[in-house]
Amino acid sequence: EPEVTQTPSHQVTQMGQEVILRCVPISNHLYFYWYRQILGQKVEFLVSFYNNEISEKSEIFDDQFSVERPDGSNFTLKIRSTKLEDSAMYFCAYQGYNEQFFGPGTRLTVL
Amino acid sequence: QQPVQSPQAVILREGEDAVINCSSSKALYSVHWYRQKHGEAPVFLMILLKGGEQKGHEKISASFNEKKQQSSLYLTASQLSYSGTYFCGTETRGSTLGRLYFGRGTQLTVWP
Repeated sequence: EPEVTQTPSHQVTQMGQEVILRCVPISNHLYFYWYRQILGQKVEFLVSFYNNEISEKSEIFDDQFSVERPDGSNFTLKIRSTKLEDSAMYFCAYQGYNEQFFGPGTRLTVL
Repeated sequence: QQPVQSPQAVILREGEDAVINCSSSKALYSVHWYRQKHGEAPVFLMILLKGGEQKGHEKISASFNEKKQQSSLYLTASQLSYSGTYFCGTETRGSTLGRLYFGRGTQLTVWP
């Protein structure tokens, strides 16, 4: 069983709307990652988050994206103004000793 | 910095073997292998941290040639449950540790 849960499992939104995707760790982890996967394509790194701060972000992670850990527990990815091309699976991952384990994902559909 | 996987797809009969390769143009710190079934999250299989390292997980094993910046995943006596898309993820030297670059995946289909 993954040690993170993600909500919602599926989000449908209209283009231009804001969405917030949530990752809830079950155990205490310090390192988190967000990845996305457009249908049928490879997994792409978005951002890494360590000790409540962004560690690194990719070229995809532009000003429309933000990450927070508002209450020290939940870990959120916000997309301010969604575009059609944001439709994808979004995975939260946490760092084990060296490995990364993926959460079940949120399917985002932008209409 | 994206690694290159080959082949793109493999079709096997149950019990046959397969090899999936992952190569990078960058010096590698580690190689991570995942399997993903349709509609599900990638599932971690194994990580290789040192050149020359080999690991096994049931009938799935992998090797890491640090000098050639390559890793191979070996599936022996394949089972129906092995079907899925296999991704390698690489940590490259000079990049932030933990940032994984994924290949495009190898789709493995095992038939009875």
